Formats: sequence, C-alpha cells, structure tokens
Amino acid sequence: NAGVTQTPKFQVLKTGQSMTLQCAQDMNHNSMYWYRQDPGMGLRLIYYSASEGTTDKGEVPNGYNVSRLNKREFSLRLESAAPSQTSVYFCASSEYGSRDTQYFGPGTRLTVL
Amino acid sequence: SQQGEEDPQALSIQEGENATMNCSYKTSINNLQWYRQNSGRGLVHLILIRSNEREKHSGRLRVTLDTSKKSSSLLITASRAADTASYFCATDAGRGNKLVFGAGTILRVKS
Repeated sequence: NAGVTQTPKFQVLKTGQSMTLQCAQDMNHNSMYWYRQDPGMGLRLIYYSASEGTTDKGEVPNGYNVSRLNKREFSLRLESAAPSQTSVYFCASSEYGSRDTQYFGPGTRLTVL
Repeated sequence: SQQGEEDPQALSIQEGENATMNCSYKTSINNLQWYRQNSGRGLVHLILIRSNEREKHSGRLRVTLDTSKKSSSLLITASRAADTASYFCATDAGRGNKLVFGAGTILRVKS
C-alpha cells in the first residue's frame, strides 16, 4: 500500500517548455488535489477533482491544466512553464471530500529557468 | 488569501519541553485540521477537530478549538528531536469548503 505517489521527484525546465506531473493513489479515494507550496507560504490549491470525471479550479489555476484519468490517477500539466511556476507541487487525496483528512504525496520540486 | 495563520512563525525548544502553536482564522468553519511536514517531505495529517468539539487528544498531541475567538492551539507535550518539523493548520473555509492552509510554524527541538 504505497499511498500517494508522485513522479518525478525533481524537474528543471526552461521557460516555455511543457511537462506533466503524475500522481496516483491506491487508497480508493474519491477526491484528489494538486497544491503548490512556496517559501514562507502555506499550500495553495491549484485544481481538485471531487470524483472521477470531474475537475474544478482552486485558488491558483492559471497556467495549469489537469486530467483525472481514472479513479487512481490525477495529472497536472504545465503547457508553457514560467519562472513564477518554480515551486514544490504536492498531490493529495481524500476519501470523501475536501473536509476529510487528506493524504499527501512526497512532492515534486520544479525549477523553471 | 490565507484563512489560517499560525503563531509563532518559528519556535525553538529543548527536548522534553512542551511546544504550543496557535492558529487563528477569519470565517466560520466546520472543522480544523493540523498537519506536520518534515523537511523535504509531504504533509502528514495529525488531528481533525470539528466545530462542535472543544478539545481533542492523540498521544502527545492536544488540540483545542475556540470558535468564539476563531482560534485553535496545538500542544505537543514532552517534545522529542523527531518532532522537529513545520506544523500547519487548515480550515475548510475555502470556496466550496476546500481546505485553506496557513503559512505554518517551524518547530525545532534541540537535543
């Protein structure tokens, strides 16, 4: 039982490049989330998926897209990376909804040059 | 915008001492959660307290909630070096009841 896994762990991009961050959970959770964490700040919600087949914007969605591929997987795509997207990205899941306990992955540290 | 704000921003104590962290929030909530983050790792859930609860315990952790003051506190008793981490409160006051995290308290426990 791996919980929430994320790939890659580290990534360096040049401005304008694209990439997809992968997230998978094996807890049969309905809801999944993408957050970013910047120094001195708490986590900010980028997108979430309340259930398979649904996605919705969070607090900071600009420059990102998501896909809930199936119940297990929720990916985050940066179409044209910008230096302002340099951050640590966390995926999380919860069984019933956002008020429920959330389980976090180990994070992806992304640097955009 | 941040709903929960932790205080202090950083705390340094000796092993064996108690550590208290506070969280204040602005709007009504249904529940408040505390999470721990070790350096370079993801967040780990510690405890969830509902708005109709005043106090909750889990091992060496004690959480209180005062909805009239819109504040919560996390007490870690008999701290250990392994408790060194950042601690975040999160409230369900975001749009659509999403969790909103504070900036966190950095706790350092010296052995």
